Amino acid sequence: EPEVTQTPSHQVTQMGQEVILRCVPISNHLYFYWYRQILGQKVEFLVSFYNNEISEKSEIFDDQFSVERPDGSNFTLKIRSTKLEDSAMYFCASSSLRLDTEAFFGQGTRLTVV
Amino acid sequence: RKEVEQDPGPFNVPEGATVAFNCTYSNSASQSFFWYRQDCRKEPKLLMSVYSSGNEDGRFTAQLNRASQYISLLIRDSKLSDSATYLCVVSYTGGFKTIFGAGTRLFVKA
Repeated sequence: EPEVTQTPSHQVTQMGQEVILRCVPISNHLYFYWYRQILGQKVEFLVSFYNNEISEKSEIFDDQFSVERPDGSNFTLKIRSTKLEDSAMYFCASSSLRLDTEAFFGQGTRLTVV
Repeated sequence: RKEVEQDPGPFNVPEGATVAFNCTYSNSASQSFFWYRQDCRKEPKLLMSVYSSGNEDGRFTAQLNRASQYISLLIRDSKLSDSATYLCVVSYTGGFKTIFGAGTRLFVKA
C-alpha cells in the first residue's frame, strides 16, 4: 500500500539552528500539507501546497517557516531559526483531490529543540 | 469560540457498548467534514468522511447537520481496538485549509 514517508523520525536541534523536515508524498498525489502537534495538544494546520505554490497557511506559519518541493518526489518544511516552542510532532500529508477525500499522513517527525 | 469543538471526554465504556461523539464547527463556509482516528503517538488516519445524508460504515455512523453546524459519530458494539482519540476535522477554502478538533479520547474496557 502506498504511504507517505517522513525523515528523520526524530530530530534534536539547538535553539536558533535551522532544520529541514523531509517528506515523500504518495506518488500520484497533487496536494501536500504540513501539520504539527505539540505533545498533548491538538493537530494544527500549518500549510497546504499545490502546483508548486502555497495555497493556504495558518497564523503559525510565519516567516521562520518555508516549504519547498525541490524535485518530483520530496516535500520539505524548513524552520529557519528554531525556538523551544517549535518542539512538536510534525506530520506531512498528501491527497489526490481536495474535497471529500482522504489525506494520508506520514508517521511524523518528532522535533525537539533544546 | 473555537473553530472546531468536541466533547471533552474521556469516554470509558465496556465492550459492546454504543458511544456517541459530538462536534460543532463555527465557520459556516466549511465544505468537507471527516472523522479521523489517532492512536497514541501515531499519525491521524481517516475513519470516515461525513455527508449531509449521513453515512454508515459497519459499526460506525456519521451524521452532519449543516444548519446546526454539528457533526456526530456513533460507534456501535464497541471493541477493545476502538480505544483511541477521535478527531473531528473540517476543511474549507476549497479543501486547502483543514482544522482539527482537540479530539475525544475513548477507552473501551473488557
